[in-house]
Amino acid sequence: DGGITQSPKYLFRKEGQNVTLSCEQNLNHDAMYWYRQDPGQGLRLIYYSQIVNDFQKGDIAEGYSVSREKKESFPLTVTSAQKNPTAFYLCASRTSYATNEKLFFGSGTQLSVL
Amino acid sequence: LAKTTQPISMDSYEGQEVNITCSHNNIATNDYITWYQQFPSQGPRFIIQGYKTKVTNEVASLFIPADRKSSTLSLPRVSLSDTAVYYCLVGVRNTPLVFGKGTRLSVIA
Repeated sequence: DGGITQSPKYLFRKEGQNVTLSCEQNLNHDAMYWYRQDPGQGLRLIYYSQIVNDFQKGDIAEGYSVSREKKESFPLTVTSAQKNPTAFYLCASRTSYATNEKLFFGSGTQLSVL
Repeated sequence: LAKTTQPISMDSYEGQEVNITCSHNNIATNDYITWYQQFPSQGPRFIIQGYKTKVTNEVASLFIPADRKSSTLSLPRVSLSDTAVYYCLVGVRNTPLVFGKGTRLSVIA
């Protein structure tokens, strides 16, 4: 089946620790996105990538970092600089940035602080 | 980016038709209107997209008036499983995709 796989489903972070959330897609999509969702809120854009080896900051990039070394992978690192990391993280992709086509989402990772 | 305004929440009984309206007064000429559905602890799922007039698929209809300053998502004969948050997005091409708080629909038996 084609789709987006996020792992792990649940993740716990200790104080001062960096953690990495995985996002893999086999849809051959160029564009990939990371969103953060807090309880009862909408989705806020953290980072996005239009193509391999390229990425841009979204609205709330501080305390996060990403890489896009392969077309199918767009991992998100939550660094110790992110003081309030507890949230639901969603990865998404679509065929390209310059398109009206729909977004495909993964099933999300719930990150909590110990 | 065109700003969108939706009701925060709506309630409906099973079997009724539900209409959720989204206002987007500063929509640009090339902007499309797209709706997504999100269940708790899941990623949003695409429902429908349109540019003008009416679009219908197997799950919903989208009505867009001539001035395109608003749009209405219509869900026919809702069931309990339609309880979810519905997001309206405008201006999806060449722009980062921004989701607002959406409309929380509660379907009551």
